[in-house]
Amino acid sequence: EADIYQTPRYLVIGTGKKITLECSQTMGHDKMYWYQQDPGMELHLIHYSYGVNSTEKGDLSSESTVSRIRTEHFPLTLESARPSHTSQYLCASSESGEMNTEAFFGQGTRLTVV
Amino acid sequence: AQTVTQSQPEMSVQEAETVTLSCTYDTSESDYYLFWYKQPPSRQMILVIRQEAYKQQNATENRFSVNFQKAAKSFSLKISDSQLGDAAMYFCAYRSRIGAQKLVFGQGTRLTINP
Repeated sequence: EADIYQTPRYLVIGTGKKITLECSQTMGHDKMYWYQQDPGMELHLIHYSYGVNSTEKGDLSSESTVSRIRTEHFPLTLESARPSHTSQYLCASSESGEMNTEAFFGQGTRLTVV
Repeated sequence: AQTVTQSQPEMSVQEAETVTLSCTYDTSESDYYLFWYKQPPSRQMILVIRQEAYKQQNATENRFSVNFQKAAKSFSLKISDSQLGDAAMYFCAYRSRIGAQKLVFGQGTRLTINP
């Protein structure tokens, strides 16, 4: 099992609520990622970070925001949840550099907005 | 931008048989990495096998092997002696060796193992 954790695993929340999905890793990885995945579908990169205070938008436009104040922590926030945000969110981390290093994934947060 | 395509949304195989999952990709880079990830139902995504583009030799990990055709930009996964525990979504992924090094995924292939 990889040392990367996401909480909560499941979340059902009403429209308009603010939510934060937590992601933490204990491997000291500089790079962290958030992917959005609809059931049985491909993963779309929505945010990534090279390190502390470094975040960028991914290939898929998202209304969510992220922060990276500590190396081990990469939370994702939705200021006002909508049903269109219903999806699974996967967090991942990897080492920096040009080495062929794999990305480690959390178990995911399945978000349902009603 | 790099793209990864998996043209088989679903595949099934009899237990103990061999199955091959297809993946093609598009890139203008010459040096990169390719991966196959496995996502079991309700479980974490885990790495199955990786391939460095500069290596001609195909990667092998126990029952899993790849057929890497760089000129054709093809990267298929062969699973030998399929087991019930192999049932999962399989994703092909591409990563640049330099720059942003973002991991780009294909659409996934759902593999069913028939007992």
